[in-house]
Amino acid sequence: GAGVSQSPSNKVTEKGKDVELRCDPISGHTALYWYRQSLGQGLEFLIYFQGNSAPDKSGLPSDRFSAERTGGSVSTLTIQRTQQEDSAVYLCASSLAGYSSYNEQFFGPGTRLTVL
Amino acid sequence: SQQGEEDPQALSIQEGENATMNCSYKTSINNLQWYRQNSGRGLVHLILIRSNEREKHSGRLRVTLDTSKKSSSLLITASRAADTASYFCATSTTSGTYKYIFGTGTRLKVLA
Repeated sequence: GAGVSQSPSNKVTEKGKDVELRCDPISGHTALYWYRQSLGQGLEFLIYFQGNSAPDKSGLPSDRFSAERTGGSVSTLTIQRTQQEDSAVYLCASSLAGYSSYNEQFFGPGTRLTVL
Repeated sequence: SQQGEEDPQALSIQEGENATMNCSYKTSINNLQWYRQNSGRGLVHLILIRSNEREKHSGRLRVTLDTSKKSSSLLITASRAADTASYFCATSTTSGTYKYIFGTGTRLKVLA
């Protein structure tokens, strides 16, 4: 079956522009996560969606970052007025039922964002 | 700050040797998971250990958990060149949220 997909795989943008990153989770997975990984670093939690519950936005680094999940499936991470420090790989993951917290996360291949 | 910190940051061994990497965390957890990442992109889940478990095995992998020391170890036995990757621990805390906090990772290189 299809795994988690992300698009685009690479995005180069100019400082100050807005970008949208897309994540298609595995069908039937109710939990969706966004992470950011800078070069050679660990994963930084950004946001977590679980079903129709209010998302956990505690990891978003600034108000330039926002995310939505439509219809409990596809998610879009938007970064407004991009800065050079936003350059990183943005990873999306989904899991079957986040509320149990015992489920493995399935990761997408990531979007490499470069802000010039 | 990161919940998990892996140790060592980098490890280089010969094929056939065992590799051990450690993860320390700061707050009480529900469970701890280990993931592998190749080529700086998507991660693959390896194994999950719950807070009431002390040891789990999966193939050549052995994970231990010591909640009194707030630490876990991942042992890869009889390593192969294909095990070359970064390894991360991820913890789910008992704070009422189900987000996972990832450590900084151990970069393992297995030399053929």
